[in-house]
Amino acid sequence: KNEVEQSPQNLTAQEGEFITINCSYSVGISALHWLQQHPGGGIVSLFMLSSGKKKHGRLIATINIQEKHSSLHITASHPRDSAVYICAVRFLGNEKLTFGTGTRLTIIP
Amino acid sequence: NAGVTQTPKFRVLKTGQSMTLLCAQDMNHEYMYWYRQDPGMGLRLIHYSVGEGTTAKGEVPDGYNVSRLKKQNFLLGLESAAPSQTSVYFCASSYGLADQETQYFGPGTRLLVL
Repeated sequence: KNEVEQSPQNLTAQEGEFITINCSYSVGISALHWLQQHPGGGIVSLFMLSSGKKKHGRLIATINIQEKHSSLHITASHPRDSAVYICAVRFLGNEKLTFGTGTRLTIIP
Repeated sequence: NAGVTQTPKFRVLKTGQSMTLLCAQDMNHEYMYWYRQDPGMGLRLIHYSVGEGTTAKGEVPDGYNVSRLKKQNFLLGLESAAPSQTSVYFCASSYGLADQETQYFGPGTRLLVL
């Protein structure tokens, strides 16, 4: 069964802390996406990756294809990083994206 | 560029009523998608379109219809609304398939069916 699991479901941290959000999937994929859903509801794509590592500002996304696992890291976290972070994958042979249920991140000043 | 816009932002329907949600994009994207988001569940694909005049079923298509008469617009219709269709609906668009292209999302439409 094609499944995407994220952990933790909820994460609260102090401003400045290093944040790690995890995504695991069940079978082979062609691509993995990380998205951010703002408290107001809007969804923004952060990264799309199929191997290795990508960095944008304080955000870093890594993927280990053999382990079927990806991580999203946030360095020097800030209250404006508070959002729901969603992992989505395209399983091999499947036209659609399968989404995880999201990780709700709260950064306390 | 406005990106992806959705109309309306919020709507309340009674069971059995019909309505149409409009999605518009100004990025000349070929692919457009309709998702629903429910508490405790990931986004689920309702229908999608790979180009003007084409539509295809997604994961949860029952109770919905779609049309893509113009490349920039993707309409989602509910012919006879049911309380189970209470949800937040997101439209998205992309140049190509999900494994090669970033999807751009609209702001969402919150629908309550009583």
